[in-house]
Amino acid sequence: DTAVSQTPKYLVTQMGNDKSIKCEQNLGHDTMYWYKQDSKKFLKIMFSYNNKELIINETVPNRFSPKSPDKAHLNLHINSLELGDSAVYFCASSGQGNSLDTQYFGPGTRLTVL
Amino acid sequence: AQTVTQSQPEMSVQEAETVTLSCTYDTSESDYYLFWYKQPPSRQMILVIRQEAYKQQNATENRFSVNFQKAAKSFSLKISDSQLGDAAMYFCARTDLGQNFVFGPGTRLSVLP
Repeated sequence: DTAVSQTPKYLVTQMGNDKSIKCEQNLGHDTMYWYKQDSKKFLKIMFSYNNKELIINETVPNRFSPKSPDKAHLNLHINSLELGDSAVYFCASSGQGNSLDTQYFGPGTRLTVL
Repeated sequence: AQTVTQSQPEMSVQEAETVTLSCTYDTSESDYYLFWYKQPPSRQMILVIRQEAYKQQNATENRFSVNFQKAAKSFSLKISDSQLGDAAMYFCARTDLGQNFVFGPGTRLSVLP
């Protein structure tokens, strides 16, 4: 049983393209997150949604737009991809909207922009 | 900015020995949680152990235990009887009621046979 799943696991694309990464959790959690892990392994939060509402929006280019159709899904759409967007993107979720809850991570999506 | 610091970019340990990974953090909150996550080469982020700040007793999960020093804002991870499968990046993280979930820069642990 996959708790937090992401698709695709690998994404290779050209500069300037638009791409989406999907995330789904079957844990019944209220809060979902997107993180970016750069080449130096530094993990930084990008967005957080609680019950489909945006609650954290760190300083990321507005080319990145999260979309939450329901509380089990948080997709990340990226417009006009740039070389610097190459990274591993992790989705995570935590329960009952309690920020003190443990976060459970998806397997990550490695995005390579050529 | 509230930060999490891991001062050891890399560590190594002999198989079956014990190793301690350091973590310090900065927060103005009194109620928060601390975590250690493991990221093996498969890149999956795996929760290792969790500590509630209001609990004085150090958390333990099998071979993994923490030394939580609240006044010093220190949260080290001890791995006993190290195994080859313990080789990974280890991330310390902190979260509080303000919903700030912050990760440290990570420590790469190598386990030598």
